[in-house]
Amino acid sequence: QKEVEQDPGPLSVPEGAIVSLNCTYSNSAFQYFMWYRQYSRKGPELLMYTYSSGNKEDGRFTAQVDKSSKYISLFIRDSQPSDSATYLCAMANYNFNKFYFGSGTKLNVKP
Amino acid sequence: SQTIHQWPATLVQPVGSPLSLECTVEGTSNPNLYWYRQAAGRGLQLLFYSVGIGQISSEVPQNLSASRPQDRQFILSSKKLLLSDSGFYLCAWSSSQGPQPQHFGDGTRLSIL
Repeated sequence: QKEVEQDPGPLSVPEGAIVSLNCTYSNSAFQYFMWYRQYSRKGPELLMYTYSSGNKEDGRFTAQVDKSSKYISLFIRDSQPSDSATYLCAMANYNFNKFYFGSGTKLNVKP
Repeated sequence: SQTIHQWPATLVQPVGSPLSLECTVEGTSNPNLYWYRQAAGRGLQLLFYSVGIGQISSEVPQNLSASRPQDRQFILSSKKLLLSDSGFYLCAWSSSQGPQPQHFGDGTRLSIL
């Protein structure tokens, strides 16, 4: 079983839609959770960084962590064509010496 | 602010040739440094990480090696490239001060012919 599972998509939505991206994980030691956005031929860019369970909001983006279910989500409100990219989740344990990445979900927001 | 630079952006090399990819970080001291390889449709595979000058940990035994000759410089090398070394190589850094996420460069796309 992989440490982190992420649906590869592609996920195609109309402009203005609410997007939900998700990851599940198996290691209960993970305490830090991140979401990265990666445009084609570019490196991943950090979008959200959360610790333990709960929600964190930044503009149109909300990250949600449910440690009891080992499930994390990224919500994008009022999605824009510029949000079209691959989104990767990532996780780390308490000492942050190793990161585990999902394989990424490709999102396409249609104008 | 901190920035990370990787070069070259694209590289085409013949099988059996040597490789040297360079990564430098600006605006921070004693960063943790990482080399990843990303295959199409797959996650990031950690190749090497370093917590200080001359300190390299290898995650996957392979045809590659890494070196950290200076605090903010990380180099990925190979003496003889294989076809299977093709891929997208990413360098990343994180602060050594407490739990902090990684920040990535824009990568090098390596094609082996």
